[in-house]
Amino acid sequence: DTGVSQNPRHKITKRGQNVTFRCDPISEHNRLYWYRQTLGQGPEFLTYFQNEAQLEKSRLLSDRFSAERPKGSFSTLEIQRTEQGDSAMYLCASSGLGGSTDTQYFGPGTRLTVL
Amino acid sequence: AQSVSQHNHHVILSEAASLELGCNYSYGGTVNLFWYVQYPGQHLQLLLKYFSGDPLVKGIKGFEAEFIKSKFSFNLRKPSVQWSDTAEYFCAVNVEDFGGGTRLMVKP
Repeated sequence: DTGVSQNPRHKITKRGQNVTFRCDPISEHNRLYWYRQTLGQGPEFLTYFQNEAQLEKSRLLSDRFSAERPKGSFSTLEIQRTEQGDSAMYLCASSGLGGSTDTQYFGPGTRLTVL
Repeated sequence: AQSVSQHNHHVILSEAASLELGCNYSYGGTVNLFWYVQYPGQHLQLLLKYFSGDPLVKGIKGFEAEFIKSKFSFNLRKPSVQWSDTAEYFCAVNVEDFGGGTRLMVKP
């Protein structure tokens, strides 16, 4: 296994369009996390899953943001009606059964540019 | 959400100098603390973590950090930096709250 993968790596879209990003975690990992990172800032937590259950979503930035992990494997993050302020790097991470003390492995991120 | 502060945004050191990067957080309950590093063009990766036990934790590549509960701090240290330590360093509390990062440049 080569680690966490994210697709696409770059996405350019026009304001108002919907975008969807995919994250494939390390295969044996049951926890999956989404973050947003803007230039000069640290990662900002959005949501996380344990298997297919979304256990925390109160920090999704608005109701335009949603995430799914339907079979407990890969996950998708969708942003509807994109705005220029959504331009950022979207990071995914996964971890195993150790819970909050387990090591997170981050993917390379998807860079979103909203024109 | 907890607040995590990294007061040094940019640090420039010469090789062999000692490093200390500050991290303070604003949460009084049980915390799990992490330092991550992001080398140029690479993913975030874990340097070290603390969740219980000895407050002095050792990580990869000669890094260590000390948890001082009374000061709500978890500072990162390395006695002698190398040019290859040039990177951005992030402190985190649990999995949810990251500091803004410290960009370290080591001059050869």
